[in-house]
Amino acid sequence: DTEVTQTPKHLVMGMTNKKSLKCEQHMGHRAMYWYKQKAKKPPELMFVYSYEKLSINESVPSRFSPECPNSSLLNLHLHALQPEDSALYLCASSLVGAGGNYGYTFGSGTRLTVV
Amino acid sequence: DAKTTQPNSMESNEEEPVHLPCNHSTISGTDYIHWYRQLPSQGPEYVIHGLTSNVNNRMASLAIAEDRKSSTLILHRATLRDAAVYYCSLNSGNTPLVFGKGTRLSVIA
Repeated sequence: DTEVTQTPKHLVMGMTNKKSLKCEQHMGHRAMYWYKQKAKKPPELMFVYSYEKLSINESVPSRFSPECPNSSLLNLHLHALQPEDSALYLCASSLVGAGGNYGYTFGSGTRLTVV
Repeated sequence: DAKTTQPNSMESNEEEPVHLPCNHSTISGTDYIHWYRQLPSQGPEYVIHGLTSNVNNRMASLAIAEDRKSSTLILHRATLRDAAVYYCSLNSGNTPLVFGKGTRLSVIA
């Protein structure tokens, strides 16, 4: 299995809703990442997990809450979002260590629309 | 804080080679040069990476300048399916992958 699977592929939510994005990989990667991508822009890093522990939070608002329940799963819990949070949310995974001598594997993303 | 510079867009004819340049003048000795591409409505896809020597794989070739301050991704025969945004990034493993603005490649039939 060489894939990162993200669900759902599309999500529409109201500003008072609570929803979660899910990401799963079975490649034995111990680093997992959340990126946010607005239209016509490059992906921007949000969070990094290493060995199931949060190692980097790029000053993301608390309405985004990541969780890594085990080495294969990564969740992003959403609460009280704003319309400007509408974007493509990408999950990625990679090996840990070995310098930069490895590639990242990305999922196809969740297209989020906040209404 | 992207440390790479790429042209905003490039155009190629189908079945011709494409050379996508990237400048990374502040590269450190431990930085690997990575290339990803993003097709429309998809997540980024790993293409190739290298440290000092030129690299080849089934998708592309990576030519790295002797001083490592620039590199070129080479698609040997562009197809319509190669139309995408191509990102050049540096990764030493100490910091996560950060994307620059990328080059939007258009392929003309």
